[in-house]
Amino acid sequence: DVKVTQSSRYLVKRTGEKVFLECVQDMDHENMFWYRQDPGLGLRLIYFSYDVKMKEKGDIPEGYSVSREKKERFSLILESASTNQTSMYLCASSPPGLPENTEAFFGQGTRLTVV
Amino acid sequence: AQSVTQLDSQVPVFEEAPVELRCNYSSSVSVYLFWYVQYPNQGLQLLLKYLSGSTLVKGINGFEAEFNKSQTSFHLRKPSVHISDTAEYFCAVILMEYGNKLVFGAGTILRVKS
Repeated sequence: DVKVTQSSRYLVKRTGEKVFLECVQDMDHENMFWYRQDPGLGLRLIYFSYDVKMKEKGDIPEGYSVSREKKERFSLILESASTNQTSMYLCASSPPGLPENTEAFFGQGTRLTVV
Repeated sequence: AQSVTQLDSQVPVFEEAPVELRCNYSSSVSVYLFWYVQYPNQGLQLLLKYLSGSTLVKGINGFEAEFNKSQTSFHLRKPSVHISDTAEYFCAVILMEYGNKLVFGAGTILRVKS
C-alpha cells in the first residue's frame, strides 16, 4: 500500500514561531502537494512539487514556503506562524500525470493550532 | 479563478434513499475528474475517477458519477445510501493546461439519517 506519512497529527505553536510540517511518501512519486483544509472552503492548494528541488505556487502560498531536497520528502514551512494559519494541513503524493496513474494519495493530516 | 464548484455544502438524506452530489468544473480542453471521500477523523480516499472513455464511471461502495462535457459537470450518485456513507465528499480536477495541479471543490457533507 502507498503510504504518505505526516510527522505530527496535532501541533500547537506560538504566534511568530517558525513551523516545519514534514511529509514522507514511500512510493517514489514525482508529485507532492500541500493543502490546507478549512470548513466550508474545502482543500486549498498551498504549494506543489513535481520533482526534487522544483516547486510551484498553488492558490494560497502567502506566508508559506516549501522544501524538497529528496524525492520522498516534502516540507511545508510557516516562516512566522499567525493565528489565521490555524488549520488542518494535508500532504499528498501522486505519480506523474499519465492517465492511468493519475491518483493522489493523502496523509492523515496535521491539525495545527497557532496561539 | 474557481476551477471546481460543489453546489451543495450539506445534503441530508434518509437511509436507503438515492442521493446526488453535484459538481461543476471550469471548462477545459482536457480534464481529469475525481471524487474523494473523507470519513470523520480520517484522511481522503479516492472514490472514483474519470480520465477518458465511458462517461459513466463506477467507484467503490456503490457510487458512480457521470461526466457531462456539454454541461461541464461530474455529479456523484448512489441509488441507496447507508448510515456508513455519512462523510464529506470532495470533487477534484486536474486541468491539463495547468500541468499536474490538483484542485478541489469546497466539499459536500452527506448526512444520512435513519
